Formats: sequence, C-alpha cells, structure tokens
Amino acid sequence: DAGVIQSPRHEVTEMGQEVTLRCKPISGHDYLFWYRQTMMRGLELLIYFNNNVPIDDSGMPEDRFSAKMPNASFSTLKIQPSEPRDSAVYFCASSLMQQREGADTQYFGPGTRLTVL
Amino acid sequence: GQNIDQPTEMTATEGAIVQINCTYQTSGFNGLFWYQQHAGEAPTFLSYNVLDGLEEKGRFSSFLSRSKGYSYLLLKELQMKDSASYLCAVRLYNNNDMRFGAGTRLTVKP
Repeated sequence: DAGVIQSPRHEVTEMGQEVTLRCKPISGHDYLFWYRQTMMRGLELLIYFNNNVPIDDSGMPEDRFSAKMPNASFSTLKIQPSEPRDSAVYFCASSLMQQREGADTQYFGPGTRLTVL
Repeated sequence: GQNIDQPTEMTATEGAIVQINCTYQTSGFNGLFWYQQHAGEAPTFLSYNVLDGLEEKGRFSSFLSRSKGYSYLLLKELQMKDSASYLCAVRLYNNNDMRFGAGTRLTVKP
C-alpha cells in the first residue's frame, strides 16, 4: 500500500489567498483526520471523518477553515482567506476501526508544510 | 479541556536506558498511544496501552496506570537513530478522537 498521500508537500502563498490541501487515505480505512502541527501548539486535531461524514470539527480554528470528503479516497482542507498565523505543517491521517483493541492505529501522511507570507 | 503533559526535552547517552513520562487528565479514556516523530517527518506508531501494565515491543516498552493518569515509554539500548520527538496521545472515546501531548524531544549523544 502506498500509505496516506498528501499534496502539495510544500505550499508558499501570500496572505489573503485561498489554499487547498489534499489527502488520499489508505484504501479501506474508515476514518480520516486532519491535524495541524506548530512549535507553539504541538499536534492539534482539526476535524475527522467517519465513512466520509464529518464527526467532530470542534478543532477547526475559525470559519476560514473548511474540510470536505466527497468520497472514501479523497479529502480536502481549505483555508480562505489565509493568514500568516496559519503557517504550520498540516497532516492527514487515516485508520481502520475494528473491534480488536489497538487495531485502529492512525497512519499519518508526510504532511504539507504551509507558509503564508 | 484535555491536558496531556510530557517533558519538553530529554538527553541520554547511546546504549543507555531512558524513560519518557506522560500524565493526562482527559474527559474520557479509551487507550493511550505513543508515536515517534523524526524532524521533518510524520509521526509513526510505536505502542498502545488500554489496560494497566507493561507492553513490551523489542527495545521499546510502554506502561500505563489508568488510576494515576500516567504512562511512560521506556527505550533501552539507545541508538543514535532514536533521537526524535516522542508524542503521547490519548484516545478519548470509542470513536478514534485522539489528543496529543506536545511531545518530548529526545537527543541521544555518543
């Protein structure tokens, strides 16, 4: 399996521009997560989906952030308009929820390093 | 809120043993995970505890005490490649909602 795929790997944009981050989860996984990591705040859960349905978006910082999962193999995280404080590494992760304990380990993609100037 | 606390940094010597502690106060608990993250890379899964006690996986072991809200990761026979950040994460409920600690940056010196 190719693992979780994210694109782009690096994104540099100017304040006010729209940014779209993309994620392809591991095939067959039921859950998809979006995280943001910064030095100051560590790894923060933004939103997660179960079977393409958003379950908890309480971690989304503000209305400028939105996430969609139109099908089981694709998700996007959009920031519009972007601000310098959005600069961070954004990780996508996926997992397969099973009855056996521990089988729902999250597998992380390589991340997208976003810089907003 | 959810509180997961770990030391910020630790230093140890190659070949030695190091213990990284994690304490948590969360609204729910359904398992504790340890992840390793090398600089510039994604976190990768190391270990998982849901019941009290010690789980051993090669050079790495993880311990959990639910009554104390406490876990540790034990790394034996340290190697230079073990220099990384180690993230403690608590799964809150039976729905895969995980919260991460800030991570402990471990530096292994020769």
